[in-house]
Amino acid sequence: GDSVTQMEGPVTLSEEAFLTINCTYTATGYPSLFWYVQYPGEGLQLLLKATKADDKGSNKGFEATYRKETTSFHLEKGSVQVSDSAVYFCALSVENNDMRFGAGTRLTVKP
Amino acid sequence: DAGITQSPRHKVTETGTPVTLRCHQTENHRYMYWYRQDPGHGLRLIHYSYGVKDTDKGEVSDGYSVSRSKTEDFLLTLESATSSQTSVYFCAIRFSGGSTDTQYFGPGTRLTVL
Repeated sequence: GDSVTQMEGPVTLSEEAFLTINCTYTATGYPSLFWYVQYPGEGLQLLLKATKADDKGSNKGFEATYRKETTSFHLEKGSVQVSDSAVYFCALSVENNDMRFGAGTRLTVKP
Repeated sequence: DAGITQSPRHKVTETGTPVTLRCHQTENHRYMYWYRQDPGHGLRLIHYSYGVKDTDKGEVSDGYSVSRSKTEDFLLTLESATSSQTSVYFCAIRFSGGSTDTQYFGPGTRLTVL
């Protein structure tokens, strides 16, 4: 069935370091792809999305490109801040907006 | 802010007791969802609703029931809570617009079953 696999955490980086969180997917149709972020004690917030191959989603300095050839949607940020510490979820949506989530990757950024 | 609230935000209960969680939205979205979040599993769909009195099962629906008598409210009931239902529960709505539909989430309810 449709599924998402993302890199296991936790990930610990120093402030201003480069971030990559890997996400790959399996889908029979043509999914839309999402990254959500969850700050401590809060719900999931949409970070960015892409709806078709080669689309790039971007928000708050984060970006991810929909790569159909490698079935990937890796999240990147050039210079992380302490305030980026959170759990990041990759997700896909297929027909009828049925969503599948990855297990989440916890990011800690140290000053 | 998608106008979603959940109540209660925290609850501790005992095994075998009934529990009802409420999700309330203010923007008349047709689709509403209940998920549970557990370490190592991400979010898993319990039930969803596509209109008043229209609901369907998700991936992990056993032990849960739902009701939607008004557009704005979607209730999740654990008829007889078990320790395996200790989790964080999130409600979501589907927003239709732009290039794709997107789900937006409430703040969550942390449920502990002793």
